[in-house]
Amino acid sequence: EVQLVESGGGLVQRGGSLRLSCEASGFTFRDYWMHWVRQVPGKGLELVARIRGDARRTTYVDSVKDRFTISRDNARSTLYLQMSSLRAEDTALYFCARDHYGFNSVDYWGQGTQVTVSS
Amino acid sequence: DVVVTQSPLSLPVSLGQPASISCRSSQGLLHSDGNTYLTWYQQRPGQSPRRLIYKVSIRDSGVPDRFSGSGSGFDFTLKISRVEAEDVGVYYCMQGTQWPWTFGQGTKVEIK
Repeated sequence: EVQLVESGGGLVQRGGSLRLSCEASGFTFRDYWMHWVRQVPGKGLELVARIRGDARRTTYVDSVKDRFTISRDNARSTLYLQMSSLRAEDTALYFCARDHYGFNSVDYWGQGTQVTVSS
Repeated sequence: DVVVTQSPLSLPVSLGQPASISCRSSQGLLHSDGNTYLTWYQQRPGQSPRRLIYKVSIRDSGVPDRFSGSGSGFDFTLKISRVEAEDVGVYYCMQGTQWPWTFGQGTKVEIK
């Protein structure tokens, strides 16, 4: 069974930093692209970053470029999102999600971890 | 970025009745590889999104056959043939043809 468990969320001041983690199990982690998706409470979804299985390629949405860094440790089956220079608009529930390779889609989602940026 | 627009945003439906959600993109979703990457998700209250359909019309394993997806180009539709109580939630479409992949605003399905 595929499981994705996020952690690391919390309350942080504007301009601060936070690192999210996502522990994966139930599949061969290194074989999959992985994504971070965020959801503003009561609003929509935004895919913010993705990383290839070998970690040699990453892509970001413009709103987080140069502030967020996605990375992974395949030996630990863990995905990370290092967030810095946080803004109020980064407040959201952050999901870790698995890519469905070849279908340009996300198939499995974690339960999410809440990030709140206070001003 | 490709803008994805769903309608309606709220959809009250009686149990056993059909429901239809529209998803329109600002750019055509036919990829240069010949495929169209349009996905539908269901998010029940308090839960993470669950994928229902990918590549326009392929239903995920375990998804009831009352859910179906169709469309091409710019216009896509998710249909529920007979709404059940467990279908209450927010439905999102997502385009995966052009990075960044983008989602519609969501359609809230509720029982009338």
